[in-house]
Amino acid sequence: SQQGEEDPQALSIQEGENATMNCSYKTSINNLQWYRQNSGRGLVHLILIRSNEREKHSGRLRVTLDTSKKSSSLLITASRAADTASYFCATAWDRGSTLGRLYFGRGTQLTVWP
Amino acid sequence: DSGVTQTPKHLITATGQRVTLRCSPRSGDLSVYWYQQSLDQGLQFLIQYYNGEERAKGNILERFSAQQFPDLHSELNLSSLELGDSALYFCASSYPGTSSTDTQYFGPGTRLTVL
Repeated sequence: SQQGEEDPQALSIQEGENATMNCSYKTSINNLQWYRQNSGRGLVHLILIRSNEREKHSGRLRVTLDTSKKSSSLLITASRAADTASYFCATAWDRGSTLGRLYFGRGTQLTVWP
Repeated sequence: DSGVTQTPKHLITATGQRVTLRCSPRSGDLSVYWYQQSLDQGLQFLIQYYNGEERAKGNILERFSAQQFPDLHSELNLSSLELGDSALYFCASSYPGTSSTDTQYFGPGTRLTVL
């Protein structure tokens, strides 16, 4: 399957702590993306990391990619209650019939307690 | 607000019926994607349209069909509905949508309940 798999399925932390979520995948990729979904709402694109990149930052987000291990991690530093949401990784392999398609994992539910 | 609109927000219908979900992409976006999100299957790509033409097809059932109109809005038609079709249906749009690196902007979704 080209879908990513997030780990853990659920994560509960206190405000101010860091949250780390992991994503593993099985096939070759061109890029990996992280999305966020507030309860029952649409997904919001957070960050994209290409297969030739190892680390990327955006505000309080840090994403790493290890293509040899076929894994990625998303770190949210200094978490806030407003970060409570589900986080999804999505992989992409821009070849033939998969061109432009994203394959989403099942997500990590992050709860940040005040 | 992503700029992508979907109607209706909620839809409750009976098995065997047919429904139409509508999506208006962000202004200027050429591509529209449809996704289904359910507890069983997670978030599944259904189909993509680019400037009126079907571009990619995913796990879309034969009972489902979609189209993109000249004004670039899109409709997803679901027919002969079954209980298992109950899900959140999302539309996303991007510019131009010819590569996965083109950010997809998601609408708020339509929650379909089949009774």
